[in-house]
Amino acid sequence: QVQLQESGPGLVKPSQTLSLTCTVSGGSIGSGGYYWSWIRQHPGKGLEWIGYIYYTGSAYYNPSLKSRVTISVDTSKNEFSLKVSSLTAADTAVYYCARGEFYGDYTGAFDYWGQGILVTVSS
Amino acid sequence: SSELTQDPAVSVALGQTVRITCQGDRLRSYYASWYQQKPGQAPLLVIYAKNNRPSGIPDRFSGSSSGNTASLTITGAQAEDEADYYCNSRDSSGNLLGAFGGGTKLTVL
Repeated sequence: QVQLQESGPGLVKPSQTLSLTCTVSGGSIGSGGYYWSWIRQHPGKGLEWIGYIYYTGSAYYNPSLKSRVTISVDTSKNEFSLKVSSLTAADTAVYYCARGEFYGDYTGAFDYWGQGILVTVSS
Repeated sequence: SSELTQDPAVSVALGQTVRITCQGDRLRSYYASWYQQKPGQAPLLVIYAKNNRPSGIPDRFSGSSSGNTASLTITGAQAEDEADYYCNSRDSSGNLLGAFGGGTKLTVL
């Protein structure tokens, strides 16, 4: 059973950079076939895709966040990471990591999710 | 605004059938996946690749698609189905999982 676990600070100051890590167990990122993803949810709001990365390091981002976001992968540690720069209060959210799988060219799904980590941006 | 449009709230009587819809132009070519989220929990995949259920998801959950609309149907809704439901599909930039709908709050009466 694949499990994902987010880790990182729960409180970050405005203008700083947020760094989160997702540790994967029960499966190997380096085996390929999946897109390792970050998704966030503002308090009381819906889900927002941030981006995902393939084990090769190819990353894809939400255009609205692309200028501030970097996703990286470390296959030796079986983990992937998210950095969000120039933080504001609007980045306060629960951040989830998830595994994405494509079923051909026309559909996919996030089949495993971490429990989420609440990140508050405040001075 | 979201590229995928969902009704904010839907209600259903216990044991009845409810359909939750998701509209978007790209759904004419790309299938949606559906997620259930209960308060304080991470989302849970309930339908993928139009009408496939992951292991452990009850068969009262089904998916369908017609034109620009994807639908999640719960046949014989149970009290434990009360939750937020989100659809997901391709976004306008070509990311296959890049767009979420705004979510539908399902109330089971």
